[in-house]
Amino acid sequence: QQQVKQSPQSLIVQKGGISIINCAYENTAFDYFPWYQQFPGKGPALLIAIRPDVSEKKEGRFTISFNKSAKQFSLHIMDSQPGDSATYFCAASDEGGSGSRLTFGEGTQLTVNP
Amino acid sequence: DGGITQSPKYLFRKEGQNVTLSCEQNLNHDAMYWYRQDPGQGLRLIYYSQIVNDFQKGDIAEGYSVSREKKESFPLTVTSAQKNPTAFYLCASLGQAQGEKLLFGSGTQLSVL
Repeated sequence: QQQVKQSPQSLIVQKGGISIINCAYENTAFDYFPWYQQFPGKGPALLIAIRPDVSEKKEGRFTISFNKSAKQFSLHIMDSQPGDSATYFCAASDEGGSGSRLTFGEGTQLTVNP
Repeated sequence: DGGITQSPKYLFRKEGQNVTLSCEQNLNHDAMYWYRQDPGQGLRLIYYSQIVNDFQKGDIAEGYSVSREKKESFPLTVTSAQKNPTAFYLCASLGQAQGEKLLFGSGTQLSVL
């Protein structure tokens, strides 16, 4: 069964610090790796995504690092803010990068203390 | 504004009862999906539909049914055969154009009375 393993389950960071969430996958056919952010009682929203032809993608304070040989990818949140407190999910798909059949990680609950 | 509308926000099911969750989108997206979310777990795919009048089972389809009679609507029925229905249910849709991303609705919280 295709799986995506996410860690840690929960993370507490001080304001201004760096939050790091890691994911590992098994299926080498995966070709699209998005990260979603979810606030309580809301649906997940796409935060940032990467394809395996690049090792890093940065959008503002959010960076994805991708290690194809290790089958791992991670989300880095620089200068973390209390408003970043949410649940973060990594995901992966193998259908041409369309994200149509995503396999999700278990989620990481991030708390940023003021 | 275009988007995905799920209703109701909260739903309660009695023992042996079937309940239907609504999902409507005005994005002209071809594909629609239903996910189940349990605390501390990732999203698990229940059913998906890539075109009107056609749908496929996801990873946890047992105890659920769907229909896709219209492009904009993809209702999910939680049947009495689903013995553990309490969860947060999320509907999503995806367009066919290059670079389209999966978009989610705001979810329905289903609880058992």
